Amino acid sequence: KAGVTQTPRYLIKTRGQQVTLSCSPISGHRSVSWYQQTPGQGLQFLFEYFSETQRNKGNFPGRFSGRQFSNSRSEMNVSTLELGDSALYLCASSPLGNGDTQYFGPGTRLTVL
Amino acid sequence: KNEVEQSPQNLTAQEGEFITINCSYSVGISALHWLQQHPGGGIVSLFMLSSGKKKHGRLIATINIQEKHSSLHITASHPRDSAVYICAVHSRNQFYFGTGTSLTVIP
Repeated sequence: KAGVTQTPRYLIKTRGQQVTLSCSPISGHRSVSWYQQTPGQGLQFLFEYFSETQRNKGNFPGRFSGRQFSNSRSEMNVSTLELGDSALYLCASSPLGNGDTQYFGPGTRLTVL
Repeated sequence: KNEVEQSPQNLTAQEGEFITINCSYSVGISALHWLQQHPGGGIVSLFMLSSGKKKHGRLIATINIQEKHSSLHITASHPRDSAVYICAVHSRNQFYFGTGTSLTVIP
């Protein structure tokens, strides 16, 4: 089976812009979770989607949003970008989520200038 | 307040040494995970534990639910084990992560 894929791999944006990141889970996996990783805060949970519904959300502002499509592919959107949003954004999929083993994608490296 | 604490933050070992990384958590959990992250960012899940002990090759993970503590052991360490090891717990419907242990194994 193909692994989790994320596009794009690298992205440079300026403050105030918005960005959309994409994640394709492993075939058959219905749960997709998003994480932010920064040198200062480490890994932090953003949200989890399961069967097109947001099941859980971490402690991030409303500028961070996401969605999941019927084929389980997921997108996350960050609006009104801030310098502090520069990070590695990781997507992970699992068959059923809820604490199950996570299969991580390679990440999207976002730089906000 | 950190829900997950890891120690040590950095670890350097000679090839062949026995290595232990510790993880303590302060919340009720449904599962604890050990992750490995190599330079470049890719993360691999090593273990998922809810009780007891698991072994995979040279890696052993244990958890003590009463003491809210887990350990990851690497026997006969090898330079290819050099990576960041991250402890994660699933609690209150989300994951909380430790800050990671950076391991360097010297040949």
